[in-house]
Amino acid sequence: QVQLVQSGAEVKKPGASVKVSCKASGYTFISYAMDWVRQAPGQRLEWMGWINAANGNTKYSQKFQGRVTITMDTSATTVYMELSSLRFEDTAVYYCAREAAAASFDLWGQGTLVTVSS
Amino acid sequence: EIVLTQSPGTLSLSPGERATLSCRASQIVSSTHLAWYQQKPGQAPRLLIYGASRRATGIPDRFSGSGSGTDFTLTISRLEPEDFAVYYCQHYDSSLPWTFGPGTKVDIK
Repeated sequence: QVQLVQSGAEVKKPGASVKVSCKASGYTFISYAMDWVRQAPGQRLEWMGWINAANGNTKYSQKFQGRVTITMDTSATTVYMELSSLRFEDTAVYYCAREAAAASFDLWGQGTLVTVSS
Repeated sequence: EIVLTQSPGTLSLSPGERATLSCRASQIVSSTHLAWYQQKPGQAPRLLIYGASRRATGIPDRFSGSGSGTDFTLTISRLEPEDFAVYYCQHYDSSLPWTFGPGTKVDIK
């Protein structure tokens, strides 16, 4: 079954870091790039960054540059997104999404709620 | 920076009616990299249309996309009960790179 399964919800304090995982299954992992998109409550979707699963190259949104790190473990077919220096406004659902034809996202994880609270 | 706007913000329709959703870009964009997604409460987005007019795998033919330049449209020919959701357009540009519109909510009248 082709799917992306993310790690569970997290509650973090301001200034802390969070690392969310996304395990891919049912397809050839290195054939697709993986992106991270977040959605704050009531807000539009927001692209955070991308990793090329074939070679590990990454690209990040300027908004998150310096705070976000996307890595992968090819043997585990898992991609990770770490966001540091968390702020209250980082409270959101974080999604991994497989990049497919014409830079669209054809497969999504179920989402991971990250709550930043003191 | 390319900004996507969507209209209307909310569309109230009855099952069986036709829905026409608009996505406008702040400058001319490539239709090759224009996509539409459907999102239901508590769920991840689902790809409907890519390349402005190509239906994704498994998407019913009542969904269609069109447009070019700055103006793009998602049409649902006859609304089914499961189509009431929020719809987002998305564009990719190598310099940005991915941006999403604010969404249009299609709700039951």
